[in-house]
Parts: sequence; C-alpha cells; structure tokens
Amino acid sequence: GNSVTQMEGPVTLSEEAFLTINCTYTATGYPSLFWYVQYPGEGLQLLLKATKADDKGSNKGFEATYRKETTSFHLEKGSVQVSDSAVYFCALSDLGDYKLSFGAGTTVTVRA
Amino acid sequence: GAGVSQTPSNKVTEKGKYVELRCDPISGHTALYWYRQSLGQGPEFLIYFQGTGAADDSGLPNDRFFAVRPEGSVSTLKIQRTERGDSAVYLCASSPQQGSNQPQHFGDGTRLSIL
Repeated sequence: GNSVTQMEGPVTLSEEAFLTINCTYTATGYPSLFWYVQYPGEGLQLLLKATKADDKGSNKGFEATYRKETTSFHLEKGSVQVSDSAVYFCALSDLGDYKLSFGAGTTVTVRA
Repeated sequence: GAGVSQTPSNKVTEKGKYVELRCDPISGHTALYWYRQSLGQGPEFLIYFQGTGAADDSGLPNDRFFAVRPEGSVSTLKIQRTERGDSAVYLCASSPQQGSNQPQHFGDGTRLSIL
C-alpha cells in the first residue's frame, strides 16, 4: 500500500534559520507528491506539489524536489520567519488514485 | 468566501447518539472527499464522491459511518451510535475533478467530541 513517513517534530528554529523537513514515501505506482500546511487556527492549505520525477515544487520561499531514486520529497526553506510557524504535512496520491495519504505532520515553531 | 464550508465547526454529543456533519464544497467541484484526523496524526481517508455517487468508501471504519451527496454538491457524513473513539476532526475536501495530480481544497473541519 501507500505510505508517507516524515520527520518527527516538534522543530523549533530561530528566525532566518534554514529549515528542512524530511519526507519519504512508498507507493505502488507513480504518485503525485504534495506538501500541505496548517497554520494555527486555520484549515489545511496546499503549499506546493510535484507530479513527476525531478519536478521542483515551490511556493512562499519553500521548495521540494521529487526524487524518485530515493523516494523522497524533502521540504526546505532558506530563511524562515515567525509566520512560518505551522504544522506541515507531506502527502501523496498514487497514479490512477485520488485519495491522499498523509504523513503524521511536523510541528514547526519559529522564534523571533 | 468561496472555500469549502463545513458545519458545525464543533459538535459535542453523548456516546450512543447520532450525528450529521455537513460539507459544502467549492462551487463546480465534482470530486468530494471526507477525511478523519485524530490528535497528532495526519488526515486519514474515509470516502470519496465523484458527482452523486460514492466512488470509494473503503476508508469508512465500520457500518456506523455513512455519507451521502444526493445532488452532487453538498455532502453529509452520518455517524450512528457514536463511540468515544469517534472523537476527531472530520475534514472535507473538494477538487475540480478526480485525478491523482489534482490538489484538494480543505475546509476547516468539524471537531467532534463524544462524551
């Protein structure tokens, strides 16, 4: 079956630090990969996506590259801000499928 | 707004009661999904609708759970004889059409607490 494993949190950083959240996956087919974010008091929002190998998704200074050889989709941001404090979820949807399989989420807190 | 709307935002009820959770998807979105998120976990798939029909209900945990979408828009998730283990945030999402590369747009969820 499909599954997503992401780095356990919580992660606490200082402003302007570099952030990496690791995500690896197993899938029976050729999945599309997503990062969703949940800001405090808000619903899940799509942050970025990639649909094929070597694609790079990017948004709001965040980037993630679809690595088929390592079955990974790590999220990175070069300089975090306090407003990036949130829970981040890695997810996949397998080819020919539609439902999302999520990781457990990583809580990130950025301190001023 | 034009996002996915879920009501109520919070529901507290006693064990054994019946509950209905409502989802109003983004206008024009044909695909609708229900997920359940327990504390500290990622959302888990429950059921998927394409139009009026349930295309995949493999995630429903047992026959106490049922969902409908009679006119292909609003959906209702129904839980009979609720148990304390049903306590969770129930999320609804919609997308313009089905497909693995289609991003899903989520509502804020209904927080269900069974006493």
